[in-house]
This record gives sequence, C-alpha cells and structure tokens, in this order.
Amino acid sequence: NAGVTQTPKFQVLKTGQSMTLQCAQDMNHNSMYWYRQDPGMGLRLIYYSASEGTTDKGEVPNGYNVSRLNKREFSLRLESAAPSQTSVYFCASSRGIQGYGYTFGSGTRLTVV
Amino acid sequence: TQLLEQSPQFLSIQEGENLTVYCNSSSVFSSLQWYRQEPGEGPVLLVTVVTGGEVKKLKRLTFQFGDARKDSSLHITAAQPGDTGLYLCAGAVGNQGGKLIFGQGTELSVKP
Repeated sequence: NAGVTQTPKFQVLKTGQSMTLQCAQDMNHNSMYWYRQDPGMGLRLIYYSASEGTTDKGEVPNGYNVSRLNKREFSLRLESAAPSQTSVYFCASSRGIQGYGYTFGSGTRLTVV
Repeated sequence: TQLLEQSPQFLSIQEGENLTVYCNSSSVFSSLQWYRQEPGEGPVLLVTVVTGGEVKKLKRLTFQFGDARKDSSLHITAAQPGDTGLYLCAGAVGNQGGKLIFGQGTELSVKP
C-alpha cells in the first residue's frame, strides 16, 4: 500500500549512542515532517522539510538533525542520545498545501537508557 | 507561540452516549484538521475544515469550525466501542509548508 514507511519500529539505545531514523514516502509529496509524541503532550514538531532541498526547525529541534535525502526520503539523526529523547517518533508527509492532510508512518518507539 | 488546547483530555463513556470534544486557541488558523489514532499506529486524518462556521459530517461524527477560525469541535452521536482512540486536532500555521500545530489529544474510551 502507498504511504509512509518508517524504520525501525522499535529501538533501545544507551545514553550517548547515536542512531538514524529512516522515513520514506511514495506519494510524491513535497513536504515531510518529524514529530515526537509524549503522553499528555500531543505531537510536537522536531524538524520539517517544506520541499526537497530545504529543512527548518520546529518546536523541539535540540539534540536532533535531519537530512532530506531526496523527494522521497527524510531522515532524523540523534547524535548523542539522552533519556529525555525517549519517545515515539512519527514521520509524516503532505503535499504542503494549506488544508491538505498529513499521511503518517506507524512510528518508531525509542527508549534511551 | 500558537497553542491548541483540547478538552477533555480523557473521556470514558458507555456505548450509545453522545460526546463532544473541544479544541480552542487564541490564534487564528487558516484551516483545522481532526485525526484519530489507535494504539501502535500513526494518526489518520478524519476531516479538514477551512471556512469559519463550516460544519462537516462523517457518519456519526460532526465537525465544526468556529466563526473566527480559532476553535473547533467534534461531536460523536451514539458512540460505539469502535470509536475508542486518541482524537487530535491540528491547526495549519500560515504559509509554512503546510506545517501543523497539534493539540494534546483526547483519549476516548467507549465501553460496551
């Protein structure tokens, strides 16, 4: 099925380790987003890419970096993981037009110990 | 900072009851969307409302966008156990690549 694919689905890291979360969409969407979801806090935007070749910070960018590799792929990197980064991470894509909805991946559950 | 406040945060009701979830902000949004999320999955878009005062219906779900485009509501008639899930409202922010600001979510549990 067409949509947004995230890998991995689960990950446990030790404090200080690094990792990259991968995201790919096959809907020819212009815009892609990374959110984190914590209990009682809804979804908070980490970084987004309005179009291929551009990236911008969201609400909670500290400790993360992103790469818009091409139109399909948008990766999120944790350079030195901290326990505060334990969360569920969602990638989403959109046409980037006002009023157009997001398609979300199924999430990556990350635990930093 | 633009914020969206959802209420209630938790709602537990019996099958057949009606309910309303509210989404409020002091900011004006160009459009507002509602999503539903099930455990272990990403949110799924239910509806987008664009015009102030707009009302949209999706079977037993009725969505309304406030006249001033600062608030929205989701009303479910005769709730069923299959309606159980996390409901999220999200407002579109200006002309910023379709960026959305999400509310905290309403956790709905419908008991048979």
